[in-house]
Amino acid sequence: GENVEQHPSTLSVQEGDSAVIKCTYSDSASNYFPWYKQELGKGSQLIIDIRSNVGEKKDQRIAVTLNKTAKHFSLHITETQPEDSAVYFCAANTGGFKTIFGAGTRLFVKA
Amino acid sequence: NAGVMQNPRHLVRRRGQEARLRCSPMKGHSHVYWYRQLPEEGLKFMVYLQKENIIDESGMPKERFSAEFPKEGPSILRIQQVVRGDSAAYFCASSPRQGATEQYFGPGTRLTVT
Repeated sequence: GENVEQHPSTLSVQEGDSAVIKCTYSDSASNYFPWYKQELGKGSQLIIDIRSNVGEKKDQRIAVTLNKTAKHFSLHITETQPEDSAVYFCAANTGGFKTIFGAGTRLFVKA
Repeated sequence: NAGVMQNPRHLVRRRGQEARLRCSPMKGHSHVYWYRQLPEEGLKFMVYLQKENIIDESGMPKERFSAEFPKEGPSILRIQQVVRGDSAAYFCASSPRQGATEQYFGPGTRLTVT
């Protein structure tokens, strides 16, 4: 079955710097890749997603890139702010109902 | 437009008791997923339900765990005879239709078994 690996598990950056989180997936049939942000005590919120027919998608300070050949995708956050501090999960979906999540990256943005 | 609601937010049970977790999907959504999250781990799929139907329960332990999504009312995840290893955060998510890949998560229920 699908397996999603996520790195790093913890990331600490200075406010204003960029943060990059990387994920790899195993099932080449995966074609939908969402990213979720989980703040303490809250549910996960979809922040950006990308489908396999594009290589990059950007939404203000957040961007996601996808390399289907290498089976990896990355989340880029620019000009980080303290409120970006949270746990971020990547996920992969083959178009069905089952979404497989990475183990998460705990991002700390130091003011 | 209320999002996905879960209750209770925190639940403490002694070993051997039953835990009932409730999830009300977003308005207009008829598909519900349940996930379990252990500390420092990602979300693990447990079960996928539509109204009155279990579509896939491949992620759910065969014993003590059950789920339902009745025609009326919330989806229920039921854990019988809880053990310490059941302590985790349980999240539900909903989506509007079959095949929709976007899922909207509730705030979760944190179950502690003492």
